[in-house]
This record gives sequence, C-alpha cells and structure tokens, in this order.
Amino acid sequence: DAGVTQSPTHLIKTRGQQVTLRCSPKSGHDTVSWYQQALGQGPQFIFQYYEEEERQRGNFPDRFSGHQFPNYSSELNVNALLLGDSALYLCASSLLRGEAFFGQGTRLTVV
Amino acid sequence: AQSVSQHNHHVILSEAASLELGCNYSYGGTVNLFWYVQYPGQHLQLLLKYFSGDPLVKGIKGFEAEFIKSKFSFNLRKPSVQWSDTAEYFCAVASPEYGNKLVFGAGTILRVKS
Repeated sequence: DAGVTQSPTHLIKTRGQQVTLRCSPKSGHDTVSWYQQALGQGPQFIFQYYEEEERQRGNFPDRFSGHQFPNYSSELNVNALLLGDSALYLCASSLLRGEAFFGQGTRLTVV
Repeated sequence: AQSVSQHNHHVILSEAASLELGCNYSYGGTVNLFWYVQYPGQHLQLLLKYFSGDPLVKGIKGFEAEFIKSKFSFNLRKPSVQWSDTAEYFCAVASPEYGNKLVFGAGTILRVKS
C-alpha cells in the first residue's frame, strides 16, 4: 500500500516564477493538507482540502493556492516566488478527522 | 490561537540514558496531542497520540507521553535511548474547534552518542 507520495523531490526556481507541487494521498484518504517547513522550524499549516474544496487556511498570502482532484490528489501552487518561500513543502493525507500521514516533502529552493 | 512550545532545541545523550522532551501548548479547549519523529532522510512519522482517556500514552519503540491538562503539557519520555533514536522530534496539537489542523512546535533535535 503506497503511502503519501510527493513530486518532485527537489526543485530550484527563480524569484518571480511560479511553481506547482503535487501530492498523491495514501489509499483510502480523502483529505489533503499542505505544510511549509522552513529550516530549523516546525511545519506551518498552509491549507486543507476535502471534497475538492479548501476547508481551512493558515496564515499564508493568496500567492499560495491549491486544488484537489476527484481522485483526492492535490496540487500546491505558489505564484511570484520570493526568496523566503524556500522551504520543505509537506503534504499530509488523512480521513477528515483522522490521523495525518506525511509524504517525504518537496524541497523548494528559490534563487 | 494555538501555539506549541518545545523546551529544548538540541539534546545530546549517551546510549541508555533516559529521555524527557518537554512540550507545552497554549489552547484551553479540547485538544488532540501528537508527537512526530523525523529520522535523518525520512518523512515525518507518528510516534504517539492522545485523543482522550488514559493520560499516559504509549507509542512505538518504547516511547511514552503524559498529558497533564492542568499544566498544558504533553512531555515525551523514554527510559533508555538507543543510537537509532537520533532524530528530530516534533510535538503537535490539533483541536476540533480549529478543524483539526496540526500546529507544530519548532522541534527538538536529539543526538544519541554510541
């Protein structure tokens, strides 16, 4: 049974560019949450998707957007990249009120 | 708003030493509490969780944690650490009132010397 898979694993982008990160949830899970983990910090909640809708949002600007597809997979989009967006982006899947399982993350570097 | 504070950012222990990592949270409502572990090069994994009931919870690999509601604490313990416990440990809180999103502490890096 595949766990949570994220792609790509590493990415380098230039300031001002746009990026799309992808996540496939664990089999049977219908809820996907995204977190940003900056160096030396704990993961920070970005948003959560359930039934293809954004259910909750953390304290992140509108440059961060997402999408959930009918198969429960999800994308995180970040527009107008800033140097400060460099971080590990984590996807977690769960049932709506259940335990979260994390993927390996995508390491984004903005130069 | 919820927040989580972990007392130590770096801990170095010798094998067989006892471990206690502190965690305090700031929310007074209903909470679910978690400890996650991240081994070098691996993804975040759930170590143990508390939802309700017995405040002393046991997790994988001999870890346990005690929920003390009056102190807003959920400290992680292990009687005797092994070299393989070297990892980063994160305490997290979630609340139904906040849609069960996880709020993490900054993490504690544990290095166990063999």
